[in-house]
Amino acid sequence: GDSVTQTEGLVTLTEGLPVMLNCTYQTAYSTFLFWYVQHLNEAPKLLLKSSTDNKRTEHQGFHATLHKSSSSFHLQKSSAQLSDSALYYCAPNTDKVVFGTGTRLQVSP
Amino acid sequence: EAGVTQSPRYAVLQEGQAVSFWCDPISGHDTLYWYQQPRDQGPQLLVYFRDEAVIDNSQLPSDRFSAVRPKGTNSTLKIQSAKQGDTATYLCASSRDWGTYEQYFGPGTRLTVL
Repeated sequence: GDSVTQTEGLVTLTEGLPVMLNCTYQTAYSTFLFWYVQHLNEAPKLLLKSSTDNKRTEHQGFHATLHKSSSSFHLQKSSAQLSDSALYYCAPNTDKVVFGTGTRLQVSP
Repeated sequence: EAGVTQSPRYAVLQEGQAVSFWCDPISGHDTLYWYQQPRDQGPQLLVYFRDEAVIDNSQLPSDRFSAVRPKGTNSTLKIQSAKQGDTATYLCASSRDWGTYEQYFGPGTRLTVL
């Protein structure tokens, strides 16, 4: 089946530093990968959707590039903001998605 | 287009009481999901439908939970005889059956069982 492995637990950063949350995948069927973000007391929402191999996709200051050669879709941002503090989930585009525990990003002043 | 709507937004019950959650997906979305998200955990799939058919309910505690989507649009998730361990946020999401399976979530119902 399709599965992803992402940075576990808590990532803490100081505001202004770059963000990188890792996601690697094993997929037999899915053709896309997603990053979802969940802010405190809110529902998850789609942040990024992968495009073709080696093509960068961007949204709200975040970007990610699908690399089929390394089975990766890491989430990056050049400069973290306090408002980026949230849970982040990497997921394949299958009809039955397992979100896991996600990666919690905590940005401090 | 309107997003996924859920009601109620909050519910507080005593153990043993019943509760129903209602979800209205995005128009045209064939697939509807119900998730349970306990505090400090990721969303855990309970059940999902394609149109009116249940595709997977293997994680739904069938002795107390039930879910229906009779016309392939709105859906209801019901808990009979709630337990304290059911305290969680219940999220509904929808996606198009064809395409990329991007999921769009409703605001959730926060349930507290005392």
